[in-house]
Amino acid sequence: GQNIDQPTEMTATEGAIVQINCTYQTSGFNGLFWYQQHAGEAPTFLSYNVLDGLEEKGRFSSFLSRSKGYSYLLLKELQMKDSASYLCAVTDSNYQLIWGAGTKLIIKP
Amino acid sequence: DVKVTQSSRYLVKRTGEKVFLECVQDMDHENMFWYRQDPGLGLRLIYFSYDVKMKEKGDIPEGYSVSREKKERFSLILESASTNQTSMYLCASSSAQGHNSPLHFGNGTRLTVT
Repeated sequence: GQNIDQPTEMTATEGAIVQINCTYQTSGFNGLFWYQQHAGEAPTFLSYNVLDGLEEKGRFSSFLSRSKGYSYLLLKELQMKDSASYLCAVTDSNYQLIWGAGTKLIIKP
Repeated sequence: DVKVTQSSRYLVKRTGEKVFLECVQDMDHENMFWYRQDPGLGLRLIYFSYDVKMKEKGDIPEGYSVSREKKERFSLILESASTNQTSMYLCASSSAQGHNSPLHFGNGTRLTVT
C-alpha cells in the first residue's frame, strides 16, 4: 500500500528553528508538496520538490531525498503565526496525490 | 490570486437528506477536486474532474456523486446523507499545465449529519 508518515504534533519556541519530517512509501514518485493549514482555514501551498536537495524560500526550506523516501520542512525564526498544521503530499507514478495526516505545530512564546 | 469559493462554511443536515455542496473557482482552472478531511487521516479524494462534464472517481466515491456542467463550478452531491459523512469537505482546483501544479483550496464546508 501507499503510505506517508509525519509526526502528529510538534512544539517549538518562538524565534527557534523546527524541522518537520515526512517519510513516504509510494508506487513511484513524481514530486512532493508541503502545504500549510491554519485551523479552520484552507490548506495553502508552501513548496514543491521533485529533485534531491534543498529548496529555500525565505524562512521556509524543504529538503528531499528520493533514495531514502524522505523529506523535511525547515522553519526558521519561528513566529506565532506559524502555528498551523503542515501537510506532506506525494505524487505517485499515476500522478495521484497521496496525503499524510499532517503535523500540528504549536509555537510557544 | 486564485479564489476557490465554497457556498457554505457550516451545514447541518438530517440522515437521509440530499445534500449539495457547491464550489466555484475564478481562475479558469481545468482541474477540480473534492476531498474530505477527518482528524488523524490525510485528505481523501472523493471525486475529481479534468474537464467540463468529465468526472472520475477518487479513493472514496461511495455515497457521493458530482456534477460539472460549467468549467468554473464543481458540485458534490450526497444522495442520502448518513452520519458517517459528517466531515470537513474541501474543494480544490489546479491548472492543467503539468501534472504537478499546486492545488488551490476553498475554505471548506463543515458538514454535520444528525
